[in-house]
Amino acid sequence: GAGVSQSPRYKVAKRGQDVALRCDPISGHVSLFWYQQALGQGPEFLTYFQNEAQLDKSGLPSDRFFAERPEGSVSTLKIQRTQQEDSAVYLCASRAWASNNYGYTFGSGTRLTVV
Amino acid sequence: AQSVTQLGSHVSVSEGALVLLRCNYSSSVPPYLFWYVQYPNQGLQLLLKYTSAATLVKGINGFEAEFKKSETSFHLTKPSAHMSDAAEYFCAVTPNDYKLSFGAGTTVTVRA
Repeated sequence: GAGVSQSPRYKVAKRGQDVALRCDPISGHVSLFWYQQALGQGPEFLTYFQNEAQLDKSGLPSDRFFAERPEGSVSTLKIQRTQQEDSAVYLCASRAWASNNYGYTFGSGTRLTVV
Repeated sequence: AQSVTQLGSHVSVSEGALVLLRCNYSSSVPPYLFWYVQYPNQGLQLLLKYTSAATLVKGINGFEAEFKKSETSFHLTKPSAHMSDAAEYFCAVTPNDYKLSFGAGTTVTVRA
């Protein structure tokens, strides 16, 4: 597609529920990233995929967070047993190649509210 | 770890006035540096990036930034603010080839 598409745009979850957030990157983009942006803060790195391989998951806050990209295109970020502190905007970005000479394209994000 | 500090969480300028957003980075090696803009309820859009090719970097929408190694700074400027420049701006650095480390952001308001 023309841009990075994320769904849903908004998600309200009751504390303890599991949620799944989807990211459709630009077709053919090798690299895919997830970031978490709390209210009034800059985005924080969560995880990085190159094709289907998850090369860095050091930013995932806890073992309740899990990301996958099984076929090297669409990615899903799953949060189990959501907590109020998980409330944030989750941004996905993709990049054509692994080098920083190629820019990121960010999606519009999924705003997760845990009540 | 590499990081960036944005001085001033809010900046208010008059339409037509200079926009100056400050960013300082900590790095032991020359980094890649970026400025992004975020409009309400939207993702981040790249304004410009420094990749060591030139110290003065020109970006979109009339913005530019100058890399000053001696000051470890990468300040963003625009000579004449427009109402459409009202947004949040983030400075970012890469500690490696993929992970962006963002500053806390600066919200710009433009007064008519």
